Amino acid sequence: NAGVTQTPKFQVLKTGQSMTLQCAQDMNHEYMSWYRQDPGMGLRLIHYSVGAGITDQGEVPNGYNVSRSTTEDFPLRLLSAAPSQTSVYFCASTGGSGNTIYFGEGSWLTVV
Amino acid sequence: AQRVTQPEKLLSVFKGAPVELKCNYSYSGSPELFWYVQYSRQRLQLLLRHISRESIKGFTADLNKGETSFHLKKPFAQEEDSAMYYCALRKAAGNKLTFGGGTRVLVKP
Repeated sequence: NAGVTQTPKFQVLKTGQSMTLQCAQDMNHEYMSWYRQDPGMGLRLIHYSVGAGITDQGEVPNGYNVSRSTTEDFPLRLLSAAPSQTSVYFCASTGGSGNTIYFGEGSWLTVV
Repeated sequence: AQRVTQPEKLLSVFKGAPVELKCNYSYSGSPELFWYVQYSRQRLQLLLRHISRESIKGFTADLNKGETSFHLKKPFAQEEDSAMYYCALRKAAGNKLTFGGGTRVLVKP
């Protein structure tokens, strides 16, 4: 049981490039989400999914796309990276006893 | 809409001194409150949730609905408590978390 696995851990992108942050969970949770972490602003919700085939926008969705083709995977796509997307990204999966939230290890993204 | 405020960005205390991290929230319903801790470049870990009323690593937090606060306290800080702490709110029976801005705690020897 690996929990929530995110890749890559570190990435540097040039402005305008696209990339996908991968997130996988092996706990059979229905609810998954992506947050970005910025100094002084805590974590802000980008997108979330309540189950396979269902996604919705969070607080800061612009510039990001998600899909949920399986229960296990919830990738986050940056379509055309901008310096404002330099951040740490956390994937989370929610479920089990007490509806516990499990976070991935984070992905450090720098856009130059 | 719900909001979580952590007024202190940085708390610096000496080892053995008490530490209190403030968290205030605004939400009209019945919230679930959490404290998460993040050690350097690691994932967020759940420290406390108000419904469990546990003491983890010597930390306690009490939900005060009258003052809409959920302050985190520890009577004797240790160097290993140096980390980033986030207060978060979730609507009852919901899934989305709303986070405060975070407080960095530095415990000096």
